[in-house]
Amino acid sequence: AQKITQTQPGMFVQEKEAVTLDCTYDTSDPSYGLFWYKQPSSGEMIFLIYQGSYDQQNATEGRYSLNFQKARKSANLVISASQLGDSAMYFCAMNDRGSTLGRLYFGRGTQLTVWP
Amino acid sequence: GAGVSQSPRYKVAKRGQDVALRCDPISGHVSLFWYQQALGQGPEFLTYFQNEAQLDKSGLPSDRFFAERPEGSVSTLKIQRTQQEDSAVYLCASSSRQGFSGANVLTFGAGSRLTVL
Repeated sequence: AQKITQTQPGMFVQEKEAVTLDCTYDTSDPSYGLFWYKQPSSGEMIFLIYQGSYDQQNATEGRYSLNFQKARKSANLVISASQLGDSAMYFCAMNDRGSTLGRLYFGRGTQLTVWP
Repeated sequence: GAGVSQSPRYKVAKRGQDVALRCDPISGHVSLFWYQQALGQGPEFLTYFQNEAQLDKSGLPSDRFFAERPEGSVSTLKIQRTQQEDSAVYLCASSSRQGFSGANVLTFGAGSRLTVL
C-alpha cells in the first residue's frame, strides 16, 4: 500500500511568492515521523524539515514550514519567499515504528519551478 | 568525511556485465541504507546495515543484487548480470541513529547513476 502520496507532479511559482506542496500519508501507527527532502538536478537528497506525530506545533526551518494536519493525515510543505534556487524535486517521506529499522518511505515527488 | 560520498557517479554497463557501486558514509555513522531511484520516481528501499550487519535486505529486487559492509564503514552494492531494468540512480544514506527514533534524519550521497545498454 502506498504510504506517501504526492498528487502534484509539477508546481510553478513566481520568485518571492509562497508555495505549498501537498503530501498525504497512510499509517495506522500512532508514532511516526514525516520528512521533506529536496533533490536538485545534481541528485543529492537534501533534508529540509521534520515533524513528529506527537509534536504539538508545526515544524519550521527558516523559509520552510510544515502544515501538519493529523486528522487529515496531511503534511504539506510551505515555502515562503521562493527563490530561483528552490527549483528542484521535493519529496515527502515517512517512517513509523513498523518501518524496518528506521527506513523511509518516499512519495513520487513534486517538481517545483521558480520563475523570475 | 563531511558528507556521504558515492562512486562512480555515472556508470554505463552492457547487459550482462557485473557492476559495483561504492558508498563512503559519514564517519562514525552506524546506520547505512541503499535506495534505488528509477526515473521520475521516489527512492525505493533496497537494504539496511547496522554497522557491519545487514539487518534487512527485503528490498533487493533479485538475487543478482548483493550488498556488503564488511568493516562497518564503506559499503558496496554489487549487481551481477545487469539487466536494462536495473538502470536507475542508486542512493546511499547514513545516520548516526539506529532504528525508529523519531527524527532519524538520513544524510544522502549524490547517487550513482547506472545505465544498462
